[in-house]
Amino acid sequence: KAGVTQTPRYLIKTRGQQVTLSCSPISGHRSVSWYQQTPGQGLQFLFEYFSETQRNKGNFPGRFSGRQFSNSRSEMNVSTLELGDSALYLCASSPMDSGNTIYFGEGSWLTVV
Amino acid sequence: AQTVTQSQPEMSVQEAETVTLSCTYDTSESDYYLFWYKQPPSRQMILVIRQEAYKQQNATENRFSVNFQKAAKSFSLKISDSQLGDAAMYFCAYSNTGGFKTIFGAGTRLFVKA
Repeated sequence: KAGVTQTPRYLIKTRGQQVTLSCSPISGHRSVSWYQQTPGQGLQFLFEYFSETQRNKGNFPGRFSGRQFSNSRSEMNVSTLELGDSALYLCASSPMDSGNTIYFGEGSWLTVV
Repeated sequence: AQTVTQSQPEMSVQEAETVTLSCTYDTSESDYYLFWYKQPPSRQMILVIRQEAYKQQNATENRFSVNFQKAAKSFSLKISDSQLGDAAMYFCAYSNTGGFKTIFGAGTRLFVKA
């Protein structure tokens, strides 16, 4: 079974621009969650989607948004990028019967200059 | 709000020896899940072990075992017969039942000496 796939893997953006990151979950997984990892803040939960509905949301400004499609693929968007948004963005997926275990992708490295 | 604390930023162990990584958490829930994830230099997060709070028996996975003390809200990871491939960042994590919001500790970097 293919793992969680995130694209793009690496990208550089300029302050003020917006970015969209994509995540394809493991086949059959309906829950997709997103995390931001930075050296200073560690791993922080962004949001979680299930059946196209956002079920949980972390403490991030409204510039961070996401969505999930009917095939469970998910995208997250960050508008008006700031230097502090530079981070590794990790997507994770989970099946219904996993006991809350989440399976991570390799992440998307975002650098804002 | 739930919190997860890892008080050891770095740990070091000799190859073939045993090491224990510490984790404490805070929650008012009675049923939840606890995890240890490993993040090697590739940054790919890998599940090491999972514990369900309602189970008194400590989880084990080959060389990895946990010491789950529910009353003390403590969840330590023991790695036996340490191998060079165990060198990584280890994250302790918590998740409520009924949702997939996982809260991570700050991580412990484990070095394994040959």
